[in-house]
Amino acid sequence: LAKTTQPISMDSYEGQEVNITCSHNNIATNDYITWYQQFPSQGPRFIIQGYKTKVTNEVASLFIPADRKSSTLSLPRVSLSDTAVYYCLVGARNTGGFKTIFGAGTRLFVKA
Amino acid sequence: GAVVSQHPSRVICKSGTSVKIECRSLDFQATTMFWYRQFPKQSLMLMATSNEGSKATYEQGVEKDKFLINHASLTLSTLTVTSAHPEDSSFYICSARGHRGASYNEQFFGPGTRLTVL
Repeated sequence: LAKTTQPISMDSYEGQEVNITCSHNNIATNDYITWYQQFPSQGPRFIIQGYKTKVTNEVASLFIPADRKSSTLSLPRVSLSDTAVYYCLVGARNTGGFKTIFGAGTRLFVKA
Repeated sequence: GAVVSQHPSRVICKSGTSVKIECRSLDFQATTMFWYRQFPKQSLMLMATSNEGSKATYEQGVEKDKFLINHASLTLSTLTVTSAHPEDSSFYICSARGHRGASYNEQFFGPGTRLTVL
């Protein structure tokens, strides 16, 4: 399983764009990159998943360079409610038995 | 997204008692379920992986006789913490992976169960 490295914490202000970068130097050819969000005392919530280049949905964008050794989660115009822990995970997409291992995550604090 | 429920949401018990936590996939069949434990200010730690109808696979350092996992059906998995002690107090989260007609297996997480052992 590819190990991931993220900043421990980040601060931002409401309305700003936040970019959280994750390093995964040992990513395998068939690995996908998935980001989850977790609020205190809740289970993780899926944000976005991608394999290469750029993926965008209604809440975030995911940028993956050609070498795929890192990825960046971009949250546009954050609000106070985006204060949470964000986890970057790497793993195979279609293998039913693969394990989802969480790294330390990034604690994002959004200030007014 | 798909819904995964856990019951109870929180439980307080005395030391030495056993506690059962249920995890249900409400609108899809979960071929694989995972159990995690999370201590305050820490990340989720995978405890075990279970496939329907087979024995669970435990991660290194997790006592299988203390944390009993049963995955009897495609929609239900249970975690029983036997002879619970204060150090077992934690936030337990299950997740379920299944096929809902999408081209890949999706994984969804439950809301978690807060266990406090007195």
